[in-house]
Amino acid sequence: EDKVVQSPLSLVVHEGDTVTLNCSYEVTNFRSLLWYKQEKKAPTFLFMLTSSGIEKKSGRLSSILDKKELFSILNITATQTGDSAVYLCAVEAYNNNDMRFGAGTRLTVKP
Amino acid sequence: DVKVTQSSRYLVKRTGEKVFLECVQDMDHENMFWYRQDPGLGLRLIYFSYDVKMKEKGDIPEGYSVSREKKERFSLILESASTNQTSMYLCASSFQGRGYGYTFGSGTRLTVV
Repeated sequence: EDKVVQSPLSLVVHEGDTVTLNCSYEVTNFRSLLWYKQEKKAPTFLFMLTSSGIEKKSGRLSSILDKKELFSILNITATQTGDSAVYLCAVEAYNNNDMRFGAGTRLTVKP
Repeated sequence: DVKVTQSSRYLVKRTGEKVFLECVQDMDHENMFWYRQDPGLGLRLIYFSYDVKMKEKGDIPEGYSVSREKKERFSLILESASTNQTSMYLCASSFQGRGYGYTFGSGTRLTVV
């Protein structure tokens, strides 16, 4: 059965810290891995990763995929209180129309 | 601004009531999805639809049904609400092809008492 496992489930840091969120997966016919940020409302898209070893960056956020070891990491540098959210990892497969989501990592950034 | 709109942000219903959750998207997406989100369990797929009048069961379809009479609208129906259906319900949509990701609605927090 396909599965996506995120760790840690929750994390508390202080402003300015750097955090690394993990996502491992077991999916047949892997197509892509996506990261979303969910604050109080709808999850919003961060990154889509399809190729191993190519880092994607957006400001202080970056992500990379390892298709051999079946995991991805999401890094956030110089964290701010506005980074507090649940970060969701999801995986798409070629043979499915839907995505498989992990349980999410709840990040809390304290001033 | 393109969006997915869920009709209610918060909803309180009684056990045994029939509940309708509505979702409308204005992006001409073929695919639409209903998930429920519970602490520690993440998002679990209830049903999805890849075309008008087409539907497929997800991981947890029991106790739910869906309707897609028009491309832009996807309804989730709780035939007889139960307390274990208290949850956050998220609607999402996407294009038919692969790798476009989802656009999510803001969610409906349903409490069944």
